[in-house]
Amino acid sequence: EADIYQTPRYLVIGTGKKITLECSQTMGHDKMYWYQQDPGMELHLIHYSYGVNSTEKGDLSSESTVSRIRTEHFPLTLESARPSHTSQYLCASTERQAGEQFFGPGTRLTVL
Amino acid sequence: AQSVTQLDSQVPVFEEAPVELRCNYSSSVSVYLFWYVQYPNQGLQLLLKYLSGSTLVKSINGFEAEFNKSQTSFHLRKPSVHISDTAEYFCAVSAFSGGYNKLIFGAGTRLAVHP
Repeated sequence: EADIYQTPRYLVIGTGKKITLECSQTMGHDKMYWYQQDPGMELHLIHYSYGVNSTEKGDLSSESTVSRIRTEHFPLTLESARPSHTSQYLCASTERQAGEQFFGPGTRLTVL
Repeated sequence: AQSVTQLDSQVPVFEEAPVELRCNYSSSVSVYLFWYVQYPNQGLQLLLKYLSGSTLVKSINGFEAEFNKSQTSFHLRKPSVHISDTAEYFCAVSAFSGGYNKLIFGAGTRLAVHP
């Protein structure tokens, strides 16, 4: 079944650790996105990719980095996590630029 | 710049009552509009969308929204809500800005359905 997956769903780590949030989709979509969402707040785009080896920063400045080596895989990395990175991170993909985006279940990150 | 305003941050309502969640957008060009629903600890699910054609769009679970170009609105309605409709609802507009297409989201409306 075509879907979009994120792992882990929940992550609690200490300050200074390096982490990678995984996002994979089996829908064959070229365009993928990472959003950051604080509790009770709107989503802010932090990264997007229009295809393999294409990555760009979004509207909200983020210390995270992303890579797109394979079409289906769009991981997000934090080299040194801090409490200010505590948030929910949502991954999405779409087939068409102006069409609806399909979202993964999210990763809730807590940095102590 | 395009923006989305959801006029109510929280909407409490009793079960089986009607509800309207309001959404206004600002845009000088043709837009695509979406409503997403987010249940606790989950990602966003598309509820309905307006791309073109009929201004009234409907979802499979009884929600509907009407695109009103003159009022730049895309309000979400349901004639009779259920407890299971309790969730966060996000209105979004597709926009082209900074060289790429993106979705701009409103701040969300928390719908709380009480028995």
